[in-house]
Amino acid sequence: DIVMTQSPDSLAVSLGERATINCKSSQSVLYSSNNENYLAWYQQKPGQPPKLLIYWASTRESGVPDRFSGSGSGTDFTLTISSLQAEDVAVYYCQQYYNTPLTFGGGTKVEIK
Amino acid sequence: QVQLQESGPGLMKPSQTLSLTCIVSGGSISRGGYYWSWIRQHPGKGLEWIGDIQYSGSTYYNPSLQSRVSISVDTSKNQLSLKLGSVTAADTAVYYCARSAVTPRGAFDYWGQGTLVTVSS
Repeated sequence: DIVMTQSPDSLAVSLGERATINCKSSQSVLYSSNNENYLAWYQQKPGQPPKLLIYWASTRESGVPDRFSGSGSGTDFTLTISSLQAEDVAVYYCQQYYNTPLTFGGGTKVEIK
Repeated sequence: QVQLQESGPGLMKPSQTLSLTCIVSGGSISRGGYYWSWIRQHPGKGLEWIGDIQYSGSTYYNPSLQSRVSISVDTSKNQLSLKLGSVTAADTAVYYCARSAVTPRGAFDYWGQGTLVTVSS
């Protein structure tokens, strides 16, 4: 199984400041035949299902604000919220879909400082 | 707009078999091109992929649950089902159904709201 490790477990950021979440996979999720990283980011608010934010490591899902961005390749990835808004308080998960079993990171809780 | 809606028993006893249904609206499962997954989330914890199915009936299961799980699809009702046998308290979780693309395999772009299953004697 590909193990996904997120850091930090939680972070508190002031409104308007940058939030950075890291995700590391135990093996590369870069598929050589199409040069795509099979890595997604989700946002989950209390009582709601996860919402897809980013796929292919850096492609923003339709309707997702451009303050959310994803970067990285191979085994190391980052989700950045460039200017934290109150509505961004949530838990964020990375997920690999390179192979089965599909696996998720443990989550990072983002709060307002 | 694709919508997914899970339904299930809510409360069940240890050793029983859990049966859940996910009704898909706004798109036909039999159109193909998608995996339909079951994912669960233990209270206050992270996400665990249980397995998925295509309209053809082809399945993938998480090895950690493979001996107890079965996923099926009913294209006439546009729904998928999950059966999990011999449940214990460790199976208490919110169960979600979700969709992802097949070629290439994609992220989960649509999710149901989830249904809480509590296993307790």
